[in-house]
Amino acid sequence: AQKVTQAQTEISVVEKEDVTLDCVYETRDTTYYLFWYKQPPSGELVFLIRRNSFDEQNEISGRYSWNFQKSTSSFNFTITASQVVDSAVYFCALITYDMRFGAGTRLTVKP
Amino acid sequence: DTGVSQNPRHKITKRGQNVTFRCDPISEHNRLYWYRQTLGQGPEFLTYFQNEAQLEKSRLLSDRFSAERPKGSFSTLEIQRTEQGDSAMYLCASRTGQGGVNTEAFFGQGTRLTVV
Repeated sequence: AQKVTQAQTEISVVEKEDVTLDCVYETRDTTYYLFWYKQPPSGELVFLIRRNSFDEQNEISGRYSWNFQKSTSSFNFTITASQVVDSAVYFCALITYDMRFGAGTRLTVKP
Repeated sequence: DTGVSQNPRHKITKRGQNVTFRCDPISEHNRLYWYRQTLGQGPEFLTYFQNEAQLEKSRLLSDRFSAERPKGSFSTLEIQRTEQGDSAMYLCASRTGQGGVNTEAFFGQGTRLTVV
């Protein structure tokens, strides 16, 4: 069964703080992809980053970075120097033949 | 192509009525997904099409729900005999089958259904 767990329901930080969003997944497939999406108050889901199951190299893209560890089935996402505009709900998604989402983490960045 | 389009954006209906939503995916995308999202929850998978074939259907989808994608382009989601528990945002997403499963899905803005 495919499952995605985001244990953090809500996180609140002050602007310029770094924040890490946790994601743990379950799948029996050996080939899969992991994505992070952002859902701002407007409601539309926006793609942020992806990682495939064969590449555990962690990367940085602007203020975003991610830590993928197959040994712990985790795909954590970090925003560096957070900004008020980062306030949104963030979803982790597992893609095999279909797409499954976690319950989301609501991030509030206060000025 | 401006992205995934969903119509209507909002729908208010009386309990017991039937409703139909439409999704127009990005034109070259052969994979189409329907999700339901309630307040404070992540998108819950409902069903998935590859071209015109409905490949998977969630157990969440009771027999009151049906989805079609007759020509492998747009899709419709119909809910018969609506119940108040059907009130939610219904999201459609599409992605290309090119390049395997690496491609991200693009989401529409959703149809918000309110059953009164």
